[in-house]
Amino acid sequence: EVQLVESGGALVQPGRSLRLSCAASGFSFGDYAMSWFRQTPGRGLEWVSLIRSVSAGETTEYAASVKGRFTISRDNSRSIAHLQMSSLKIEDTGVYYCVGGRIVAGTFEDYWGPGTLVTVST
Amino acid sequence: DIQMTQSPFTLSASVGDRVTITCRASQNIHTWLAWYQQKPGKAPKVLIHKATSLQNGVPSRFSGSGSGTEFTLTISSLQPDDFATYYCLQYNTYYRTFGQGTKVEIK
Repeated sequence: EVQLVESGGALVQPGRSLRLSCAASGFSFGDYAMSWFRQTPGRGLEWVSLIRSVSAGETTEYAASVKGRFTISRDNSRSIAHLQMSSLKIEDTGVYYCVGGRIVAGTFEDYWGPGTLVTVST
Repeated sequence: DIQMTQSPFTLSASVGDRVTITCRASQNIHTWLAWYQQKPGKAPKVLIHKATSLQNGVPSRFSGSGSGTEFTLTISSLQPDDFATYYCLQYNTYYRTFGQGTKVEIK
């Protein structure tokens, strides 16, 4: 059974840092791109960041709203993805979802975790 | 970024009704479009990918159509389990973007 579980969400003050983790199981982790999405009251569902699969070079991409502040990484030996968030802003508040995905031979594989809540507030 | 405009924002319908939700892309995304269903407190779940392909395990009352910039999700006969919020997602580029969502409510 495929499972992704996020952790690390918390209440944090503006300007501080937080690291989210995503533990994956039930699929060949290195073969999948790992992404972070978030859902906020103001902007709805929003893609945040992506790290490609091992075969795609593990290259990374970021949404403009987080570029330079967030860093995505993966530990393939432990099947864990991380999102290091720094210089947090109030508008970063939301539920953060970890997603493992790939598109192969017409199939669309898309696995979501249950989400972890990040609250940025004074 | 590719902007996705979804309509309507809310939709009131009864069990058995045929329901249609529309999504418009700000540029040509070919058929790189997925539809998701989300229930309160849960992660989104993919229903349709590549604009028209039904995801494994999704009931056949769900269908998708369209290409280019205009897309539609249709539920042929609304069931009690279908009251939820629906989103379109374009994945033409790595910078994926969602529509604003359509909440399907009980009439």
